[in-house]
Amino acid sequence: GAGVSQSPSNKVTEKGKDVELRCDPISGHTALYWYRQRLGQGLEFLIYFQGNSAPDKSGLPSDRFSAERTGESVSTLTIQRTQQEDSAVYLCASRQMRDRERYNEQFFGPGTRLTVL
Amino acid sequence: AQSVTQPDIHITVSEGASLELRCNYSYGATPYLFWYVQSPGQGLQLLLKYFSGDTLVQGIKGFEAEFKRSQSSFNLRKPSVHWSDAAEYFCAVGRSGTYKYIFGTGTRLKVLA
Repeated sequence: GAGVSQSPSNKVTEKGKDVELRCDPISGHTALYWYRQRLGQGLEFLIYFQGNSAPDKSGLPSDRFSAERTGESVSTLTIQRTQQEDSAVYLCASRQMRDRERYNEQFFGPGTRLTVL
Repeated sequence: AQSVTQPDIHITVSEGASLELRCNYSYGATPYLFWYVQSPGQGLQLLLKYFSGDTLVQGIKGFEAEFKRSQSSFNLRKPSVHWSDAAEYFCAVGRSGTYKYIFGTGTRLKVLA
């Protein structure tokens, strides 16, 4: 079946522009995560969705970052007035939540590489 | 504070040699532990996970990991490395009742022919 997809795969933008990154999770996966991965670093948690509700936005680095999700499907991460320090790979992951096995695998998308000039 | 440490940033091994990647965690409760692999330009793929039970877990691609509670470690091993194993490896920890994972900073593996 289809995995998690993300678009675009690469995005080059100028400082100060807004960008939108899209994530299509696996069908039926109620949980969705966004992470940021800076060059040579680990994954930095940004936001978590359960359905279209975001109970944890604690990882969003500033108010320039926002995310939304439509039902239990597509999510969009928006970065306004981009800065050079926003350059990174943005990864999306989805997960099927089950009562007995709360820690099912996260399925990751291939990421969007954002470069801010 | 909760944390995951992968002390080796880079590791180089020869093809056919054995491999051990280290992971140490600091977590108040009994953790759920994971190893992921990331090939260039790809997302992360789960290699194996530990929730409970047998502390030696087998994963895909011939990898295994051993949970040692006394050492707060979950080291990844492979007896014979293949050139295709060259990638970045991430250890992650989670906990029952929460949704959040904490990831280590990764170990980049280089395999010499």
